[in-house]
Amino acid sequence: DTGVSQNPRHKITKRGQNVTFRCDPISEHNRLYWYRQTLGQGPEFLTYFQNEAQLEKSRLLSDRFSAERPKGSFSTLEIQRTEQGDSAMYLCASRPGGSGRFPDTQYFGPGTRLTVL
Amino acid sequence: TQLLEQSPQFLSIQEGENLTVYCNSSSVFSSLQWYRQEPGEGPVLLVTVVTGGEVKKLKRLTFQFGDARKDSSLHITAAQPGDTGLYLCAGAIKDNFNKFYFGSGTKLNVKP
Repeated sequence: DTGVSQNPRHKITKRGQNVTFRCDPISEHNRLYWYRQTLGQGPEFLTYFQNEAQLEKSRLLSDRFSAERPKGSFSTLEIQRTEQGDSAMYLCASRPGGSGRFPDTQYFGPGTRLTVL
Repeated sequence: TQLLEQSPQFLSIQEGENLTVYCNSSSVFSSLQWYRQEPGEGPVLLVTVVTGGEVKKLKRLTFQFGDARKDSSLHITAAQPGDTGLYLCAGAIKDNFNKFYFGSGTKLNVKP
């Protein structure tokens, strides 16, 4: 399977705990995105990597959120001291670089559903 | 306010009917994408439109990008229950093509 994969698919945690999600992008894609989606809404941009460099972060990404892409391949998103308002679907997407046929197109993973009790 | 406004938010129709979903903005986009998302899953790409005025057809789905690249529409002919889902438009604006903005989606329910 050459699609974007995310793990875990579901995570239930208690308020105040830390959680970490992983995203494995399509192998030849050098750009990687994290989004958050709440019920009934479209995905909201959180952050963007080109290779290992984190080039843009949303104001939505508070100090409790951190994302890494250490070798320019997989990425992790960590949320520290989770709050009930963090409950959402966390989506990862990857995108080819350069001037390919559809340079603007993203391909999404299945998401990680986080529930904070 | 969102950069991309989608309408309608909800649509419930009978199998066989036609429908159109709209995606509008005051900003110019370098391209627009349409996705369909099912509950508990990530969005699945349907199409990318890149040229103002472009029309793309995917079986019963017709996508149009406005001449000024500020709006797009998705038309479904003879809707089927399998078309049920959340339809999302997304795009990168001309001044920052690294960041994508999404509409809030149109939830379509096609009743058999």
